[in-house]
Amino acid sequence: DAEITQSPRHKITETGRQVTLACHQTWNHNNMFWYRQDLGHGLRLIHYSYGVQDTNKGEVSDGYSVSRSNTEDLPLTLESAASSQTSVYFCASSRTGTTEAFFGQGTRLTVV
Amino acid sequence: GQQVMQIPQYQHVQEGEDFTTYCNSSTTLSNIQWYKQRPGGHPVFLIQLVKSGEVKKQKRLTFQFGEAKKNSSLHITATQTTDVGTYFCAGPPSGSRLTFGEGTQLTVNP
Repeated sequence: DAEITQSPRHKITETGRQVTLACHQTWNHNNMFWYRQDLGHGLRLIHYSYGVQDTNKGEVSDGYSVSRSNTEDLPLTLESAASSQTSVYFCASSRTGTTEAFFGQGTRLTVV
Repeated sequence: GQQVMQIPQYQHVQEGEDFTTYCNSSTTLSNIQWYKQRPGGHPVFLIQLVKSGEVKKQKRLTFQFGEAKKNSSLHITATQTTDVGTYFCAGPPSGSRLTFGEGTQLTVNP
C-alpha cells in the first residue's frame, strides 16, 4: 500500500546543531508539506513544495529549509536548532489540484 | 493572511452527549476540510465540503458549510469513547496548501 513515512520518530538534539527530518511518500503526489504542531497553535505550515525543484515558505519558515530533488522525498532541515523548535513535526502530501492531505506519523523533536 | 479560528479549544462530555465544534475563516473559502487526530496520532482526513450551505453526514457526524463559505461546523450525536481526539478544520488560502484551525480537543467520559 502507498504510504508516507517520517524518520526518525523521536529525536533529541542540542542547541545549535543541524538536524534533518526525513519524509518519504510512495503515492507519487506532487504536493508535499511540512507542519509543526504545538499546544494552542494547531498545525502551522513551515514549507511546501508543488513538485521537483519547487519549494515555498510557509507561515513559520524562519530557521528551516527544504529541498525537493525527487517526487518522493521532502527533507526538512533545521540549520541551527533552537529550543523554540522543540515540537512535533508532520509531513503531508496531496495530489496535484487537490487539498486533501495525507499525513505521516510525525517526528517528535526535542532541542536541549 | 488567512486566519482560521475554532471554538471551543477544549470540550469535555459524558458519553452519550452531543458535541459541536465551530470553525470561522477570515476569508471566503473554496472548500473546507475536517480532520481528526487521535491522542498520540496524526491528523486523518474526514471530509471535504465545497458548496455553500452544504451538509454532509457520516454516521453520527454532521458537517455543515456556511452560506457565505466562511464558517463550518462539526456536530457529533451521542458521543462515544471512540470519538476522543482533536478535530481540526482547514481551508486553502490559495493553491493546494491548507490553513488549519487550532483544533478542538474532545474528551469523552464513559
